[in-house]
Formats: sequence, structure tokens, C-alpha cells
Amino acid sequence: SQTIHQWPATLVQPVGSPLSLECTVEGTSNPNLYWYRQAAGRGLQLLFYSVGIGQISSEVPQNLSASRPQDRQFILSSKKLLLSDSGFYLCAWSLTFGETQYFGPGTRLLVL
Amino acid sequence: AQRVTQPEKLLSVFKGAPVELKCNYSYSGSPELFWYVQYSRQRLQLLLRHISRESIKGFTADLNKGETSFHLKKPFAQEEDSAMYYCALSVRSGGSNYKLTFGKGTLLTVNP
Repeated sequence: SQTIHQWPATLVQPVGSPLSLECTVEGTSNPNLYWYRQAAGRGLQLLFYSVGIGQISSEVPQNLSASRPQDRQFILSSKKLLLSDSGFYLCAWSLTFGETQYFGPGTRLLVL
Repeated sequence: AQRVTQPEKLLSVFKGAPVELKCNYSYSGSPELFWYVQYSRQRLQLLLRHISRESIKGFTADLNKGETSFHLKKPFAQEEDSAMYYCALSVRSGGSNYKLTFGKGTLLTVNP
């Protein structure tokens, strides 16, 4: 069966520091991968999605970037964190020919 | 551009009462709609999708293209239904790939 992992679960970082959040999927090949930010009262905001290795689409211009170095690995990064980057980040995957998305446990990021 | 609107941020009902979580969408194409649910301390997960036309945990949702709505209903709410509910619209993002546009969510509380 397929599983999706995210780490770390919680992260506290100072303003201006770099960020790297990792997401990996097991049990499937060539999934669509997604990064979302979940904020209270603002719902789920799609940040990036990827349909294959090295293919990244950005939905919202911001301080963050994404990369997909391997088929089942998706990384969310920043060179310099801002206070406004604080939030709950969710990774998800879906089959290329279907739409149902399966979500990871999330990473809570606090920028101080 | 596609949009999903959930007009109620919070909804509170008593156990045994009917519940309806509203969702309206705007999309020029043929819509495919979903309800996702997040229980306390659990992952965001699919509750139901309109194409399946099934009832999950007593919940149903009917796509009304005339009113562009996909409201989630349950005749008798239970305390374990308390959760955050997100309505989502699937949009083709190229080829056979899809991405989801989420509403801002409705927090349902079922009181004893």
C-alpha cells in the first residue's frame, strides 16, 4: 500500500534562516506531488505541484521554492525565512490519471 | 478562474440534528467535486467524491449544476462528526493531470 511521509513534524526557525522540508511517497511510481499551506481561516493554499522529476509548477509567487530530485521525493525550501512563512505545510500525492489526493501528516513551522 | 466558496467558517449543531455544510463553486469546465475531512489530530483525508455517488459515514453530497453547489448533508449528526470539512474542485492542469482548488473550510462542532 502507499504511504506518504513528511519531516520534520515540527520546526522552529529564526527569521532569515534557510528551510528544507521533505516529503516522500512509498508504494507508487510517478505520482503527482503537491505542497500546500494550511492556515486558520484561509483554508488550504496550493503552493507547488509536480507531475514528474524536475518539473515544478508554482501557484503563488513567494519566498519559497520546491524541488523534486527523485520520483517520490518532494522538497520545500527557502533561502531566508520570513515571519509570514509560519504555518502548517502539507504534502500530498495523487495518481497521474486520477484526482483523489492523499495527504501527509504535515509540518508545523514557526518562524521567530 | 475556478473558485470554491464555503460560506460558513463555523457550524455548530446538536447531536441528532440534521447538518448541511454548504459549498458553491465557479468553473467553466465540467466540475468534479470532493469533500475532504480533517478530524482532530488526524490527517486530511477524502470523505467522498461526487462521481462515486455514495454515502460515507452517513454523509451525502449532490452536485447541483444549476445552482453550482455541492452541499454536504447528514440527517442525524453524531459527536464524532466534529471536524474541519473542506470542499474541493478538481481542475485539469494539463494532459491527464489534475489539481485541487479548496474552499476555506467549515469547522463543524456537534454538541452532546
